[in-house]
Amino acid sequence: DGGITQSPKYLFRKEGQNVTLSCEQNLNHDAMYWYRQDPGQGLRLIYYSQIVNDFQKGDIAEGYSVSREKKESFPLTVTSAQKNPTAFYLCASTTPDRAIPNTGELFFGEGSRLTVL
Amino acid sequence: GQQVMQIPQYQHVQEGEDFTTYCNSSTTLSNIQWYKQRPGGHPVFLIQLVKSGEVKKQKRLTFQFGEAKKNSSLHITATQTTDVGTYFCAGTEDSWGKLQFGAGTQVVVTP
Repeated sequence: DGGITQSPKYLFRKEGQNVTLSCEQNLNHDAMYWYRQDPGQGLRLIYYSQIVNDFQKGDIAEGYSVSREKKESFPLTVTSAQKNPTAFYLCASTTPDRAIPNTGELFFGEGSRLTVL
Repeated sequence: GQQVMQIPQYQHVQEGEDFTTYCNSSTTLSNIQWYKQRPGGHPVFLIQLVKSGEVKKQKRLTFQFGEAKKNSSLHITATQTTDVGTYFCAGTEDSWGKLQFGAGTQVVVTP
């Protein structure tokens, strides 16, 4: 079955440690995204990638890094520079309808819940 | 910058009643999408609206895009317990790939 797989589902980290969240998709989608979700708030865009070997900062990129070496994979590293990393992280992908910009529905993974101890 | 606001933040509904959640943007949108997130789950796409004044229906759900393409609404009739969850709207201007999500409306249904 096609879909997006995020791992791990739950992760605990000590302060000062970097952690990497995995996101893999087999939907053959060009675009991939990382969102952060905090209680009572919407999804905030961290980074996105429209094509392999290219990515752009979203609204809250500070303290995070990404890579897009393969079409299927878009890992997110939460660095020690991120001041408040405890959150629910969601990866998504889409293939936009190129006739009408931004018309692709987002397919989300099940999320990774990061807790900093 | 673009901001998308949703009201209400919380909605308690008696089973069988109707309710509406609203989405307002500070700028004109090229399109708007709606997602539903069940408790403990991930957002799932419901629908996309592109045209000014567009209305789409999915069974008991009716979605509308405003004439000025700056607001949208989701109306649910005869609410059921399966409607529990948080409903998000997400809109974008012309910049490719940057959906701006509202904070969501959390819906609780009492039998």
